Amino acid sequence: DQQVKQNSPSLSVQEGRISILNCDYTNSMFDYFLWYKKYPAEGPTFLISISSIKDKNEDGRFTVFLNKSAKHLSLHIVPSQPGDSAVYFCAASAEGNEKLTFGTGTRLTIIP
Amino acid sequence: EAGVAQSPRYKIIEKRQSVAFWCNPISGHATLYWYQQILGQGPKLLIQFQNNGVVDDSQLPKDRFSAERLKGVDSTLKIQPAKLEDSAVYLCASSLMRGRRTEAFFGQGTRLTVV
Repeated sequence: DQQVKQNSPSLSVQEGRISILNCDYTNSMFDYFLWYKKYPAEGPTFLISISSIKDKNEDGRFTVFLNKSAKHLSLHIVPSQPGDSAVYFCAASAEGNEKLTFGTGTRLTIIP
Repeated sequence: EAGVAQSPRYKIIEKRQSVAFWCNPISGHATLYWYQQILGQGPKLLIQFQNNGVVDDSQLPKDRFSAERLKGVDSTLKIQPAKLEDSAVYLCASSLMRGRRTEAFFGQGTRLTVV
């Protein structure tokens, strides 16, 4: 049972344009959401998070949007840079349980 | 601040052999996790420690996998005997404390190949 889904295995975006990565979840108990970025042969690196009491969180070029009614979140990267090429994982956790449930990841490729 | 340290980086073993992985979390981080990442999938939690106590090991295959966290700091994950399907990257992560909604920091992982 995949509680966190990333339906796009890969995405290619031109340098300078906006990258939008999507994530859906099914467990209504999830109330904290995170995005991780992973380069080859490295562990995942935390990027940005959002609590369910918010619908948007912004950090520099990265913005995460949360739509609780649709159980959907998205990560916007603007402008996209070559160094953003990586695999991006969406993760979620529930109140009282720090266990992270991860999606299957989206491989983002920024085209120079 | 030093990150999460894991060793070895790579390990190749034959099926039915045993293997152990080591993790040193970020200093002061009370919560430690072991995740298994199979190729093409997201990381899956195997076990979560709070200090040296187990919080969640519901997805740990206990007939072959074991883990311990001595003195609430370093941790080891052992597989005995290994199966072909155990081939994966084993990630250790740590976070500051339980009850605080904060991110987990991951090590570089150990890539295990079982042949």
